[in-house]
Amino acid sequence: QVQLVESGGGVVQPGRSLRLSCAASGFSFRSYAMHWVRQAPGKGLEWVAFIWYDGSNKYYVDSVKGRFTISRDNSKNTLYLQMNSLRADDTAVYYCARGGHGMGVTLDYWGQGTLVTVSS
Amino acid sequence: QSALTQPASVSGSPGQSIIISCTGTSSDVGGSNYVSWYQHHPGKAPKLMIYEVSDRPSGVSNRFSGSKSGNTASLTISGLQAEDEADYYCISYTSSSTLVFGGGTKLTVL
Repeated sequence: QVQLVESGGGVVQPGRSLRLSCAASGFSFRSYAMHWVRQAPGKGLEWVAFIWYDGSNKYYVDSVKGRFTISRDNSKNTLYLQMNSLRADDTAVYYCARGGHGMGVTLDYWGQGTLVTVSS
Repeated sequence: QSALTQPASVSGSPGQSIIISCTGTSSDVGGSNYVSWYQHHPGKAPKLMIYEVSDRPSGVSNRFSGSKSGNTASLTISGLQAEDEADYYCISYTSSSTLVFGGGTKLTVL
């Protein structure tokens, strides 16, 4: 069965960096687009970034452009989110999700999330 | 990249039907066949309920249905059950090749 397991969250000071990982299993990882989504405390879901199955194209929400980088290692079945210049408003639970159904823009399976807290 | 507009809350009694709306623009909902709906219980992973406006993944009850008219998509839940109580989110693919969520709707089953 499809499994997505996020890791790498924690407490980090403003301005510092953190890298999240998402280990995938139960499907052909190299064949699917992948996404990151976040949810700040008490807020709704926010789409963060999207990478094509082969890593050739990447898209971001405006608020993280230039600070976050999505990447993948298809040989390791792992998705990454490199987060630099972190701000307090980046505090959230970060989910990875598989992009299934057609163009890869339907998030059909999700992980349980990893909490990132940006605080001094 | 403004969030799609959903009502903050809706409620209904068991057995009733409710509709949750999701309003965007011609650059997202109105111009995309890639509108999905998610059910989210706090502390759990969101669950896909409807994709591509009106398709239902296997295993999702046929009490859940989706539609779209112009810039507004809708999720209908018929025969409300206690376990339907959750937060519901719409999401749309956009003309910029990004995605945008709605603000979320809290469904209360009275």
